Amino acid sequence: AQSVTQLDSQVPVFEEAPVELRCNYSSSVSVYLFWYVQYPNQGLQLLLKYLSGSTLVKGINGFEAEFNKSQTSFHLRKPSVHISDTAEYFCAVSEDGSGYALNFGKGTSLLVTP
Amino acid sequence: NAGVTQTPKFQVLKTGQSMTLQCAQDMNHNSMYWYRQDPGMGLRLIYYSASEGTTDKGEVPNGYNVSRLNKREFSLRLESAAPSQTSVYFCASSLTGGGEETQYFGPGTRLLVL
Repeated sequence: AQSVTQLDSQVPVFEEAPVELRCNYSSSVSVYLFWYVQYPNQGLQLLLKYLSGSTLVKGINGFEAEFNKSQTSFHLRKPSVHISDTAEYFCAVSEDGSGYALNFGKGTSLLVTP
Repeated sequence: NAGVTQTPKFQVLKTGQSMTLQCAQDMNHNSMYWYRQDPGMGLRLIYYSASEGTTDKGEVPNGYNVSRLNKREFSLRLESAAPSQTSVYFCASSLTGGGEETQYFGPGTRLLVL
């Protein structure tokens, strides 16, 4: 069975600075990897996902993530954050052939300040 | 196109009371899910329905029941609420339930059990 570890529970950053949110997973089979974002008092929405192919995945709002199979990581990055990026970010993984089973990390709270 | 809708938005219950959380989607998706979100815990799957007429337990099903009323609607029932069920509940849907698919989330129901 897979598991997901988000290494930082909170990440404070100044506006226009770069940010990296870290995600590691464990699985013995092929996986699909996702980043979801949750803005305050809202549901989750997809930022980006890795299914196969190029290991660098670009998503909405200028975010990108890189799949590293050898390090079992899928870190999320943005070169310059905005105040509006303040939100909770969740990494999630599902195993090829598992169907429904989307396993979420515990989340990283990104706080962007002026 | 409203996506995934949930009612109610907020609810306060006393221990032992019952209630049903409603969820509907208008995207013609086959698969639907119920998650709970607790601080520092990420999202945990309660029940899911791969298709109309089927339901299965997720990671934390105890104390809950579900009904897939039709293709659009998937309800979650608490028969005898307990303080441990204080949480934010999210409904989600996906096209066919494949592990590679994006799940679309509703805005959530905030439940407080006293």
